[in-house]
Parts: sequence; C-alpha cells; structure tokens
Amino acid sequence: QVQLQESGPGLVKSSQTLSLTCTVSGASFSSVGNYWTWIRQHPERGLEWIGYIYYSGNTYYNPSLQNRVIISIDTSKNQFSLKLDSVTAADTAVYYCARRIPGTHYFDYWGQGTLITVSS
Amino acid sequence: SALTQPASVSGSPGQSITISCTGTSSDVGGYNHVSWYQHHPGKAPNLIIHDVSDRPSGVSNRFSGSKSGNTASLTISGLQAEDEANYYCGSYGSYSTWVFGGGTKLAVL
Repeated sequence: QVQLQESGPGLVKSSQTLSLTCTVSGASFSSVGNYWTWIRQHPERGLEWIGYIYYSGNTYYNPSLQNRVIISIDTSKNQFSLKLDSVTAADTAVYYCARRIPGTHYFDYWGQGTLITVSS
Repeated sequence: SALTQPASVSGSPGQSITISCTGTSSDVGGYNHVSWYQHHPGKAPNLIIHDVSDRPSGVSNRFSGSKSGNTASLTISGLQAEDEANYYCGSYGSYSTWVFGGGTKLAVL
C-alpha cells in the first residue's frame, strides 16, 4: 500500500519561500516508474496542479507557476520536495502530494494534505 | 476553476445522483482522461473513476462515469450515508497539464 505524507511549516510570511516535503512509503523511488506530483487546493476553490518530478529528476510544471516553483527528489530518503518562491496570500492553500504511474493520466495515491497559510 | 462542477448536490439513501463536470475541447472534450476523486475532509482524496469510466480495483460499482462532448458525469447509485463527501473531477489537458473542477459537496439526506 502506497502512502504519502506531506510536512511543512504551516505558516509562511509573504515574499518568502514555501518549502514542503512529501515522504513516501510502500513504493520505491529508485526503480523505473512513478511521477511524483504536487497539487494544491485554495480555500473555497478547486484543485490546482502544480507539477511533477520523475524518479530520474526530470520535472514539469504548471506554466502559471513555473517561474516560481522547483520540485526536487531525494531517492535515498524516499522523499520529494516543493519550493515556491515569493509567496503571497494567493498561495494560501492545502498542499497535497500524489503519485501518477507512467502511461496513466490520473493520480492513484494522495497524501492527506497540509495547510499552508501565507501571512503578511 | 478550469472545470465547472455544481457546488452541491443531495439525495436520499438508495437514490441515484449525477454530478457534472464541464470543460472545453482542450481538456474534457479533447481527451478520454477524465478522473473523479472522492474526498472526505481531513483525509486523502480517493480515486474512484479514471479514463472517463474505469473503476480502480476495490471501488464500488455504484460509482460510474461517462462523457459527452465537453461534459463528463459521475453517477452514484444506491446512495449510502458513507458517500457524503466532496467530489472533484480532473482532466488531462493541453500542454501535458492537468486541470480540476471546483468540487461538489454531496449531502445524503
């Protein structure tokens, strides 16, 4: 059973960098396969796809965020991370990590999400 | 949100309900890659339908999906109290990105 767990600071000040980590269990990072993904949900709004990283380190980002986002991976720790620069109140959201298997177009396992609030 | 869903729907136990998800020819209408997620607040979202109408192993056959043009639909038959949750649609779209709906809150009365 694949499990994902997000961790982060909870509160980030405006203009600073948001950093989150997703720890994965039940799936190997070192074998071929798996696109590790970040998705967020703004308050009272729907979901927004942020981007993904492949086990090899290749990344692909939402064009609306690509100037501010970096996703990285640490296969030795079974973790991948999100960094979002220059945050504003509009970045306040619940951030989810999720998995997508290559060749598919859906997210089969998700974390419970972590709320990040951007304060002024 | 990129995809449009009704904010809420309701039904009585045993009844059937349908949730719509409307996009464009660049996402829902252009690809057979619509997925649906059930989300109980505070828990991880759960995939219930993928590729328009396919159910993952272990998902009840009370959940079914379909698509016509730019609109996809999720039908839940034989409503049960445990079905009360938020439901989100998602679609693969142009430039290899994903878009989602705003979510629909299902109340089982």
